[in-house]
Amino acid sequence: QVQLVESGGGVVQPGKSLRLSCAASGFTLSSNAMHWVRQAPGKGLEWVAIIWYDGSNEYYADSVKGRFTISRDNSKNTLYLQMNSLRAEDTAVYYCARDEGTVGLEWFDLWGQGTLVTVSS
Amino acid sequence: DIQMTQSPSSLSASVGDRVTITCRASQSISRYLNWYQQKPGKAPKLLIYTASSLQSGVPSRFSGSGSGTDFTLTISSLQPEDFATYYCQQTYSTPPTFGGGTKVEIK
Repeated sequence: QVQLVESGGGVVQPGKSLRLSCAASGFTLSSNAMHWVRQAPGKGLEWVAIIWYDGSNEYYADSVKGRFTISRDNSKNTLYLQMNSLRAEDTAVYYCARDEGTVGLEWFDLWGQGTLVTVSS
Repeated sequence: DIQMTQSPSSLSASVGDRVTITCRASQSISRYLNWYQQKPGKAPKLLIYTASSLQSGVPSRFSGSGSGTDFTLTISSLQPEDFATYYCQQTYSTPPTFGGGTKVEIK
């Protein structure tokens, strides 16, 4: 079954760190660029970051640049998002999504179910 | 960044109605426009890519059109399972931005 499954969400205090994982199954992760997209409660979709199929390039939204790091381990078929210096405004459901292309900017054809990150003291 | 503006932000419609949602880009994006459907508590689902190509498995009552800055998503005959929020997205340039969403509700 072709799917993405996120994990690692939870409640964390402001200023702390959290790492999200996204495990791919039913396909080879190394064939596609991958994204993280988030959705704050009751709000719309916000793109967070992209990593190319081979991990050679990454790009970030201005809102997370310098605090979040996207990475991938193609041997484990897994995508990651390291989130540091978390703020209340980072509270959201985080989705990983597969890009149809290898370097992004195509379309997001497969999404995980999402994992909730709550930043609160 | 390219701004994507959807209208309306919400609409009420009946089963069987023809529904049209529009999306406008702040600059020309050629046909690099995608549409997603999201139901409450679920992940978004790809409906249309490159403005008018129907994703595999998506019913043919969904269609997309447009190029440049103006795009539309049309549902030819609204079905009960189509009540959801719809988002457009540009992938012309990084960051790939989304519209604010259009919530389609039951009249």
